[in-house]
Amino acid sequence: NAGVTQTPKFRVLKTGQSMTLLCAQDMNHEYMYWYRQDPGMGLRLIHYSVGEGTTAKGEVPDGYNVSRLKKQNFLLGLESAAPSQTSVYFCASTISRVYGYTFGSGTRLTVV
Amino acid sequence: EDQVTQSPEALRLQEGESSSLNCSYTVSGLRGLFWYRQDPGKGPEFLFTLYSAGEEKEKERLKATLTKKESFLHITAPKPEDSATYLCAVTSSDNTGKLIFGQGTTLQVKP
Repeated sequence: NAGVTQTPKFRVLKTGQSMTLLCAQDMNHEYMYWYRQDPGMGLRLIHYSVGEGTTAKGEVPDGYNVSRLKKQNFLLGLESAAPSQTSVYFCASTISRVYGYTFGSGTRLTVV
Repeated sequence: EDQVTQSPEALRLQEGESSSLNCSYTVSGLRGLFWYRQDPGKGPEFLFTLYSAGEEKEKERLKATLTKKESFLHITAPKPEDSATYLCAVTSSDNTGKLIFGQGTTLQVKP
């Protein structure tokens, strides 16, 4: 089925470890986004991309890096994980700025 | 600054008891207002897009309406399977396609 696939679905990290979250979409969408969702905070934008090879900072970018080397993939990296990065991470994509997003099923990350 | 506020935070209804969820927004030049449904442990699922004041969209027991300052999600004769968190979002005014989300309304429908 066409859509947005996130891997992994769950992960536990120790403070200071690094990891990469992968987002893959097969809908030929130009725009891709990484959000985090925390209780009481709603969905907050971390980084986004408006096309292959481009990235930009969102609302809460500190401690994260991203890459969009291929149009279908958007990677989110945590360089040195901190407990404050414990969250559920969602990737989303859209074909146009005025259309709604298609979301992935999320990655639940716990940093201990 | 672009902003979205949803109310109430939580809503409990009896099966068949109709009600409305509110989404107030502040954005310079609305490009789109979106409603999503999110079930526990899952990603948000797209429901509706509204683009201009006066527009209405319907899907089963849900109807979304839009004015210049707010949107309503009307739920008619809800069923327990309508229980979920409903998210409202607007396209940001900076022309990047970013969505600004409200914090959501968690709906519980009891049989």
